[in-house]
Amino acid sequence: DAGVTQSPTHLIKTRGQQVTLRCSPKSGHDTVSWYQQALGQGPQFIFQYYEEEERQRGNFPDRFSGHQFPNYSSELNVNALLLGDSALYLCASSRIDQPQHFGDGTRLSIL
Amino acid sequence: LAKTTQPISMDSYEGQEVNITCSHNNIATNDYITWYQQFPSQGPRFIIQGYKTKVTNEVASLFIPADRKSSTLSLPRVSLSDTAVYYCLVGESGYSTLTFGKGTMLLVSP
Repeated sequence: DAGVTQSPTHLIKTRGQQVTLRCSPKSGHDTVSWYQQALGQGPQFIFQYYEEEERQRGNFPDRFSGHQFPNYSSELNVNALLLGDSALYLCASSRIDQPQHFGDGTRLSIL
Repeated sequence: LAKTTQPISMDSYEGQEVNITCSHNNIATNDYITWYQQFPSQGPRFIIQGYKTKVTNEVASLFIPADRKSSTLSLPRVSLSDTAVYYCLVGESGYSTLTFGKGTMLLVSP
């Protein structure tokens, strides 16, 4: 049973560019959440998708957007990249009454 | 969202039992207590979740007193590979947003 998978594993971009990160949830899970983890910090909640709609959102600017597809997979898009967007981006999937399971993330570096 | 407080770091030796305590004074009635383990450059790994009393699985035990204002993660006979950051979180299971603190950095030495 595959867990949460994320792609790509590493990505290098320059300031001002845009990026799309992808996530496939664990089998049987219908909700996807995205987190940003800066070096030395705990993950910070970006947003959560359920039934193809953004259900909850953390304190992140509109440059961060997402999408969930009918098969429950999800994308995270970040526009106008800033140096401060360099981080590990984590996807977690869940279903009601079960704990969230995380992928190993995408390491995004902004030059 | 209930805030949690846990030690910044702990040291242990191989073969010892490690207990990491987490304080969550404002835990809500519907909140569960969940612990995750994270290695560098990997996503957090679910360890254990509980609501009250004691929960045990193949890797850890979770002790929750009656007032639920704290919890203790117990790792029996740790090994070097248990060196990691451990996060304590409280919230409704499943769909709740997870609020991570800085976690506890556990260092296991030979």
